[in-house]
Amino acid sequence: QSALTQPASLSGSPGQSITISCTGTSSDVGAYNYVSWYQHHPGKAPKLMIYDVSNRPSGVSNRFSGSKSGNTASLTISGLQAEDEADYYCSSYTASNTLVFGTGTRVTVL
Amino acid sequence: EVQLLESGGGLVQPGGSLRLSCAASGFSFNTYAMTWVLQAPGKGLEWVSSINVNGGATYYADSVKGRFTISRDNSKNTLYLQMNSLRAEDTALYYCAKHHVSSWPHQYHGMDVWGQGTTVTVSS
Repeated sequence: QSALTQPASLSGSPGQSITISCTGTSSDVGAYNYVSWYQHHPGKAPKLMIYDVSNRPSGVSNRFSGSKSGNTASLTISGLQAEDEADYYCSSYTASNTLVFGTGTRVTVL
Repeated sequence: EVQLLESGGGLVQPGGSLRLSCAASGFSFNTYAMTWVLQAPGKGLEWVSSINVNGGATYYADSVKGRFTISRDNSKNTLYLQMNSLRAEDTALYYCAKHHVSSWPHQYHGMDVWGQGTTVTVSS
């Protein structure tokens, strides 16, 4: 149950786009379209931003989009805004009927 | 309002036990799978355990298997995590979370409602 690999940090200026990668294996990310992404502001509850690789829950801005290729999933934030500054985690279903989270990416808005 | 409220955290000595509770409100608790997730100090989110709608299917991270037990009481709209043989490395903020769509364990569609967490500290 090794954590999925994400970059530790990314940054961008307001209005720019950034993409967070999430690399797993053929037993998790590569095996299923069950990848979710969470936004986590310190001290608050995590928020579901994307599920099933690319679906947005009701109320989530369309500036957030998800995709997957092979064993790597990605979250793109377009039109970066100050409130997007947070930690982001991917999560995947695994072949063992378990879940695994990514290592987390700290997004900084310059 | 859809809400999850965790309780039961605290300071416990190594080898001790705690039972965490997660009270659900604002949704049909008995129709959703539930999960516990932890965040150790300065670390990322880590999956702990999940349970299906009727409690008949439970799954655990290797790090807690044999020590922790997840359960639910649908009549009380409450999720539990019994934690035994606690270790220093179990020190963390523990969140409970509701699955977005309840087809666990065969599918996973994310977790759309989270509590604020309850803190567990294992120390002598």
